[in-house]
Amino acid sequence: NAGVTQTPKFRILKIGQSMTLQCTQDMNHNYMYWYRQDPGMGLKLIYYSVGAGITDKGEVPNGYNVSRSTTEDFPLRLELAAPSQTSVYFCASSYGALRANYGYTFGSGTRLTVV
Amino acid sequence: SQELEQSPQSLIVQEGKNLTINCTSSKTLYGLYWYKQKYGEGLIFLMMLQKGGEEKSHEKITAKLDEKKQQSSLHITASQPSHAGIYLCGAVHSTSYGKLTFGQGTILTVHP
Repeated sequence: NAGVTQTPKFRILKIGQSMTLQCTQDMNHNYMYWYRQDPGMGLKLIYYSVGAGITDKGEVPNGYNVSRSTTEDFPLRLELAAPSQTSVYFCASSYGALRANYGYTFGSGTRLTVV
Repeated sequence: SQELEQSPQSLIVQEGKNLTINCTSSKTLYGLYWYKQKYGEGLIFLMMLQKGGEEKSHEKITAKLDEKKQQSSLHITASQPSHAGIYLCGAVHSTSYGKLTFGQGTILTVHP
């Protein structure tokens, strides 16, 4: 019963490098989300997806891209990493709007530092 | 201004004391989630509230949603060191999709 799996857990990038944060869920959830959490702040939505092939921007999408080719996977791509992207990134999934009485399921996070 | 405001931002209490964390929305809430986060870890689901006036409890934690569905409170009775962490409220402001908007979090420290 894996839930939402994120890889890697930690990563240090140099300015201008690119990388992909992986997110996989095995609960057959339609909805998937990427959030970032900065120190002392709550979570900000980067991108979300309501199903395979459908993605949309959240509050803070600049500098990121996503794709959703399957129900299970929702990778987040960082192009030309900048220090402002230093953060903890969380992937989450749910059945849909207000259906999941047990809440959205979150991954354990990826701690990214851009130097 | 934030759509979802949490207060206080941080809280330090002595073990055994009761405490309350508030979450206020600028829009009507269609769902309100409470999560707990330990440093360096993911979010743990505590409770979800949907109906005005609803109240739920889990062990020593009780959450309420007010009648107007714009404010929620989380109350911990007889706090323990295990309650320490960051408490986050997350709101669903639309029924068309399930995006969660989060408050900035409340850091709770419980001294033994």
